[in-house]
Amino acid sequence: SQKIEQNSEALNIQEGKTATLTCNYTNYSPAYLQWYRQDPGRGPVFLLLIRENEKEKRKERLKVTFDTTLKQSLFHITASQPADSATYLCALDENAGNMLTFGGGTRLMVKP
Amino acid sequence: KAGVTQTPRYLIKTRGQQVTLSCSPISGHRSVSWYQQTPGQGLQFLFEYFSETQRNKGNFPGRFSGRQFSNSRSEMNVSTLELGDSALYLCASSPKAGDYNEQFFGPGTRLTVL
Repeated sequence: SQKIEQNSEALNIQEGKTATLTCNYTNYSPAYLQWYRQDPGRGPVFLLLIRENEKEKRKERLKVTFDTTLKQSLFHITASQPADSATYLCALDENAGNMLTFGGGTRLMVKP
Repeated sequence: KAGVTQTPRYLIKTRGQQVTLSCSPISGHRSVSWYQQTPGQGLQFLFEYFSETQRNKGNFPGRFSGRQFSNSRSEMNVSTLELGDSALYLCASSPKAGDYNEQFFGPGTRLTVL
């Protein structure tokens, strides 16, 4: 069956460290993968998109990698800040459309 | 630009009733998608509309339906509500259909079914 797995346990890190979140998928052939941030009581906010033929994308303190052989994406936040505390969701689309399938999300807590 | 707006923000209904939720996309965006978010199932795709046509549909029963108007505003309807329909319903808009679009989400409508 198709699955998108993110670490369901919260990730606690110290301010200034790099946070690394994992997204693994099975039985999908995604055209691209996206990462979103969601704060309590709010809708997800888009962060980064990476296509199937791209290995890495960066945006300010954020970096995402995409390994279609391992069927895995890693999301990194460098120099993390307490304001980065939120739930991070990965989502993929097999058809390059607007039909996203989301992972369960990982809650990140950055402590000062 | 104003973001995606959804109305109402909160709704309480009883089993068997029906409900209509509304979504206004970002100006110029023609694609509107709907998602259901629950603690148990996470975020699940309901359907997507583009130019008043349903392009994609998720794995939900026929009680869930939607439509899009010529101004790109969208509504979704849930008939014969069940307790399990209690969820956060999120609307997302994109400039166009397909082509690796990021999606812009609204704040959601929190539906509680009693």
